[in-house]
Amino acid sequence: AQSVTQLGSHVSVSEGALVLLRCNYSSSVPPYLFWYVQYPNQGLQLLLKYTSAATLVKGINGFEAEFKKSETSFHLTKPSAHMSDAAEYFCAVSDLNTGNQFYFGTGTSLTVIP
Amino acid sequence: EADIYQTPRYLVIGTGKKITLECSQTMGHDKMYWYQQDPGMELHLIHYSYGVNSTEKGDLSSESTVSRIRTEHFPLTLESARPSHTSQYLCASRPLAHNEQFFGPGTRLTVL
Repeated sequence: AQSVTQLGSHVSVSEGALVLLRCNYSSSVPPYLFWYVQYPNQGLQLLLKYTSAATLVKGINGFEAEFKKSETSFHLTKPSAHMSDAAEYFCAVSDLNTGNQFYFGTGTSLTVIP
Repeated sequence: EADIYQTPRYLVIGTGKKITLECSQTMGHDKMYWYQQDPGMELHLIHYSYGVNSTEKGDLSSESTVSRIRTEHFPLTLESARPSHTSQYLCASRPLAHNEQFFGPGTRLTVL
């Protein structure tokens, strides 16, 4: 069965500092991996996705993530945090075996300190 | 503009009432989904549809029902609302040829 673990339900960084949000997945077949961002009172917006092409994936708003099969990880990073990055971030996994159904992590709330 | 819409955005209702949460998308996507989202927890899939007249229950047991009479419309109905139904409900859609799901803004439901 597929599952996603996001370590750290709350992460705080200073403005301008590196953002690192962790995601580990479990999948018996090659996965598709996604990062979504959710701002207050809004739906989820796709940040980036991995679908078996390049292992380093670049997304919107300066975010990127690296797929590491050996570590079953797909951590999200951004070199320099901005105040507008404060939001909830969700990692998700799907694959062909699940009919492309998504399995989400519990989310990480990012706070950016001015 | 192609998008996915949910109405109402906020709903406060008394126990025992029947409610329908609306979800519409103008992107022509075949697959549509309903998720339940509670603070600090993962999104739980409660219903999905692969096309017109196709509906399936998701992993999370739900007392709600859905219908898919038109491609663009995927309403969710609660016949008798209870306080345990208080949650945020997110609708999503996905085209057949792509993997990512596109989400609506959500409906925050409070049952008193």
